[in-house]
Amino acid sequence: DVKVTQSSRYLVKRTGEKVFLECVQDMDHENMFWYRQDPGLGLRLIYFSYDVKMKEKGDIPEGYSVSREKKERFSLILESASTNQTSMYLCASGPPYEQYFGPGTRLTVT
Amino acid sequence: GQQLNQSPQSMFIQEGEDVSMNCTSSSIFNTWLWYKQDPGEGPVLLIALYKAGELTSNGRLTAQFGITRKDSFLNISASIPSDVGIYFCAGYNSGNTGKLIFGQGTTLQVKP
Repeated sequence: DVKVTQSSRYLVKRTGEKVFLECVQDMDHENMFWYRQDPGLGLRLIYFSYDVKMKEKGDIPEGYSVSREKKERFSLILESASTNQTSMYLCASGPPYEQYFGPGTRLTVT
Repeated sequence: GQQLNQSPQSMFIQEGEDVSMNCTSSSIFNTWLWYKQDPGEGPVLLIALYKAGELTSNGRLTAQFGITRKDSFLNISASIPSDVGIYFCAGYNSGNTGKLIFGQGTTLQVKP
């Protein structure tokens, strides 16, 4: 079974803080993805990576950056958290046509 | 961005009933996926479809890849309370953006 894990299930941060969300997969997948999910807006792609040290912007990259130093790990970074980044963050890995999701991190920015 | 039209938006059914939901698109896809998401959890991949006309089952779930490649259907037979959740369709075509395109989800509630 594919296993995608995310470092935190729930996170509360203050406005302006730098936030790191970590994702690890155990299936040696080349591709990893970060999404956010908001009511009424569905799943939106923030960034993805198709190889170590490679990254591509998704549909809503503003305010985020990513890091992929090792194949199994993909990090999402909120450089200066804002209240409009309060959301459910979902990591996925796998080929683009068959993605497997982690359990999600519910981030609240106050 | 591009989205899929998923319907119905929500369903409230009696335990034991069959359920049908579908996704349509103006674009052609090479792959259709169906996910289920429980409250507070990440989506879980239920079924993947790779060929037009393909019919695939996973237990009480059956999904079909529409012959036009612009739609897909998911059926759940003899629903049980643990079927409660949000069901998402997703389409993929490497010739387009190369990204998964998601439907808005169908919320299913099952009355015991």
